[in-house]
Amino acid sequence: GQQVMQIPQYQHVQEGEDFTTYCNSSTTLSNIQWYKQRPGGHPVFLIQLVKSGEVKKQKRLTFQFGEAKKNSSLHITATQTTDVGTYFCAAPPLGQNFVFGPGTRLSVLP
Amino acid sequence: SAVISQKPSRDICQRGTSLTIQCQVDSQVTMMFWYRQQPGQSLTLIATANQGSEATYESGFVIDKFPISRPNLTFSTLTVSNMSPEDSSIYLCSVEKTFDFYNYGYTFGSGTRLTVV
Repeated sequence: GQQVMQIPQYQHVQEGEDFTTYCNSSTTLSNIQWYKQRPGGHPVFLIQLVKSGEVKKQKRLTFQFGEAKKNSSLHITATQTTDVGTYFCAAPPLGQNFVFGPGTRLSVLP
Repeated sequence: SAVISQKPSRDICQRGTSLTIQCQVDSQVTMMFWYRQQPGQSLTLIATANQGSEATYESGFVIDKFPISRPNLTFSTLTVSNMSPEDSSIYLCSVEKTFDFYNYGYTFGSGTRLTVV
């Protein structure tokens, strides 16, 4: 079954509002990756987090890895219509192949 | 990052037939991965294809249904055999970005949108 969970499943925001998606695992993760998939497109790698408590920023995107390395978050400040898409986390919960979370679908209303 | 050319980009097929999807990478890679993404769903790994050996299939996927070829380090094919409407999905190939055998993320092909009627 699914070993990497994500919430929320869907998020509708007004342009300019912030957005956060959370990824949770029942097991300690060696690392976690985040991907963005635009509607009709393919997943595109955004970032990888490795260290406990790690925080990385990419412009308006802030990625965080939990202290226990069992959860992660992606926060977008002041969303734009270009942020529309599905955001997936991916992790190797059993240390082998990466498992993709179910994704959070973000829609941004102009 | 590697560049992956995947084709066809989409196809509509009759049930009972087979479709072969091709992926060409612009650099040599050890492993290639095949994923399925059902409408509105996440990505599910079908199999891992290594050059010179049989593909390794994930639980729920079998070689008879999804035969894979990996004739060299830049190319792989996935065949969806004896198709049924339940096989309608997006199929994606992928490669790892690695350094010292450490995975730094996956690069995906543009996907094949398959509709079985």
